[in-house]
Amino acid sequence: GAVVSQHPSRVICKSGTSVKIECRSLDFQATTMFWYRQFPKQSLMLMATSNEGSKATYEQGVEKDKFLINHASLTLSTLTVTSAHPEDSSFYICSARRTGVRETQYFGPGTRLLVL
Amino acid sequence: QQQVKQSPQSLIVQKGGIPIINCAYENTAFDYFPWYQQFPGKGPALLIAIRPDVSEKKEGRFTISFNKSAKQFSLHIMDSQPGDSATYFCAASTSSGTYKYIFGTGTRLKVLA
Repeated sequence: GAVVSQHPSRVICKSGTSVKIECRSLDFQATTMFWYRQFPKQSLMLMATSNEGSKATYEQGVEKDKFLINHASLTLSTLTVTSAHPEDSSFYICSARRTGVRETQYFGPGTRLLVL
Repeated sequence: QQQVKQSPQSLIVQKGGIPIINCAYENTAFDYFPWYQQFPGKGPALLIAIRPDVSEKKEGRFTISFNKSAKQFSLHIMDSQPGDSATYFCAASTSSGTYKYIFGTGTRLKVLA
């Protein structure tokens, strides 16, 4: 149990376009989902916390108009990178916290974004 | 005060050795300490986690040792194998509020055959 999927796994886009990444909890309900960004050989940097049915909470320094997060159901959260630029190229990872099971986060496989 | 300091940055051991990775924290409000394993190009996978009410927890070849007074915890990998070569992250969280994780900087482990 506790499987989290992400789609797509890899995306290449042109500068100025928008890209949507989906995060799904496949076998459990997730009231809270988290979005991280990871640069090569570095740790995970939390971008935002997404709660079902409410606005996401963004970490300091993360542009909420740049990284749009929608948590429309208990099993789906989406991250849209708007007007992507080469500096947005990174590995984006989501995690989900199982409803009612305190702290444990289960991570998705990640999405590699390359902006040309 | 929100940081989690992890060491070493990288580690090389022979097959069968016992690599030890250490983490230290400042915030006494942290009460949940998971360890994650990450292979290149993949998402982190939960290995084992501990709460401050116990000093040690074992799951298979993985053991967490926890020292509440020193605010330190460590991961031991028994009988390490080449397949254990990965990056390991410790994290800390509170059991209330947003449940956000504060991650350590990661340790790249290489187990030689």
